[in-house]
Amino acid sequence: DTAVSQTPKYLVTQMGNDKSIKCEQNLGHDTMYWYKQDSKKFLKIMFSYNNKELIINETVPNRFSPKSPDKAHLNLHINSLELGDSAVYFCASSPYSGTGGNYGYTFGSGTRLTVV
Amino acid sequence: SQQGEEDPQALSIQEGENATMNCSYKTSINNLQWYRQNSGRGLVHLILIRSNEREKHSGRLRVTLDTSKKSSSLLITASRAADTASYFCATALRPDTGTASKLTFGTGTRLQVTL
Repeated sequence: DTAVSQTPKYLVTQMGNDKSIKCEQNLGHDTMYWYKQDSKKFLKIMFSYNNKELIINETVPNRFSPKSPDKAHLNLHINSLELGDSAVYFCASSPYSGTGGNYGYTFGSGTRLTVV
Repeated sequence: SQQGEEDPQALSIQEGENATMNCSYKTSINNLQWYRQNSGRGLVHLILIRSNEREKHSGRLRVTLDTSKKSSSLLITASRAADTASYFCATALRPDTGTASKLTFGTGTRLQVTL
């Protein structure tokens, strides 16, 4: 029944490692997003895909690489993890808002990444 | 830079009282949305108001939008302990040609409702 599910929920890893976070939505939405929430609760968009096509790529280190095998899945791979990557990463989805649509986002429950 | 700034940063009220949170933004928007985030959880969409709307209601929630002042407010009436959460405004900018729409979030208001 979960609309947007992320795995894992918690991820503790050492600096320099490579890790992936997976996201799946069963809402039939066309667009998926990755957001990063820092320790001050500031939410910042990282990437967005619409039907497997990358449409938003904010200023994010190229150690972060998203991949969307189909419109229901959006994964985030992070290479050479750094201490500053510690945050909560949220996946979200929405119908395609194109240039002017009015839709709310459905968020997953987040992946808390801790780099030690 | 952050599109939305919320005020106050934190608000503590007693159950039954009303809670008002404000959001200001900087550029023209297509719509403004409010989300709730309980501690350790994801964000939940509460309400969306379009740029040509001035007020919207949903249950105990009332949202206003003043595009001339670039501000919005969220009113929660007859608050309950279960309303304790962080509340975020988010703006979808007016799209330029070919620009994908995205939500930009404010800094959030932490609401504490005590018995």
